[in-house]
Amino acid sequence: EVQLLESGGGLVRPGGSLRLSCSASGFRFTSYAMTWVRQAPGKGLEWVAGLSGSGASTYYADSVKGRLTISRDNSQNTLYLHINSLRVEDTALYYCARDRRGIPTGELDFWGQGALVTVSS
Amino acid sequence: SSELTQDPAVSVALGQTVRITCQGDSLRNYYASWYQQKPGQAPVLVIYAKDNRPSGIPDRFSGSSSGNTASLTISGAQAEDEADYYCNSRDNSGNHLLFGGGTKVTVL
Repeated sequence: EVQLLESGGGLVRPGGSLRLSCSASGFRFTSYAMTWVRQAPGKGLEWVAGLSGSGASTYYADSVKGRLTISRDNSQNTLYLHINSLRVEDTALYYCARDRRGIPTGELDFWGQGALVTVSS
Repeated sequence: SSELTQDPAVSVALGQTVRITCQGDSLRNYYASWYQQKPGQAPVLVIYAKDNRPSGIPDRFSGSSSGNTASLTISGAQAEDEADYYCNSRDNSGNHLLFGGGTKVTVL
């Protein structure tokens, strides 16, 4: 059974940083691209970053480029999202999701339950 | 354009058919996927690569595409289909993903 479990969310001051983790199980992790999607309270889905199965290729939304780093540890079956210079508008539920292929296609067939990040002073 | 546009809300009578559309320039080059999200839950993939259903998705869900418009059709809508539906696809560069703003489907 495919499972994705996010962790690392919490309350952070503006300007702070945070690292989210997504622990994957039930599938061959290295064979699949992974993606982070966020959802602000009461709002729609927003793609923020993607990563190929090998980890060699990364992709970022223009709105967050330069402040976010997506990475993966294939030996630990774990996906990461490091967020710097946090802003109030980064407050959201952050989902990790598996792509159907080894390169990002946007066909996200499994999702975690999300990690809540709240940026507030 | 680097956007996907969806109608904010649509309603359907129980057992009837509803079609949800998603418009964007990138849909001329890339297929759309569709996601169902119920309150307090993570999204679920219901259609990918225009008209393919993942395992476990009822066959009342179908997808289609023409030009810059992708559509999700629910044939014989059930009460449990009441949810928000989002489309997504790659943008024209192929390096970014886009999500539509979502359509809230109400089953009457």
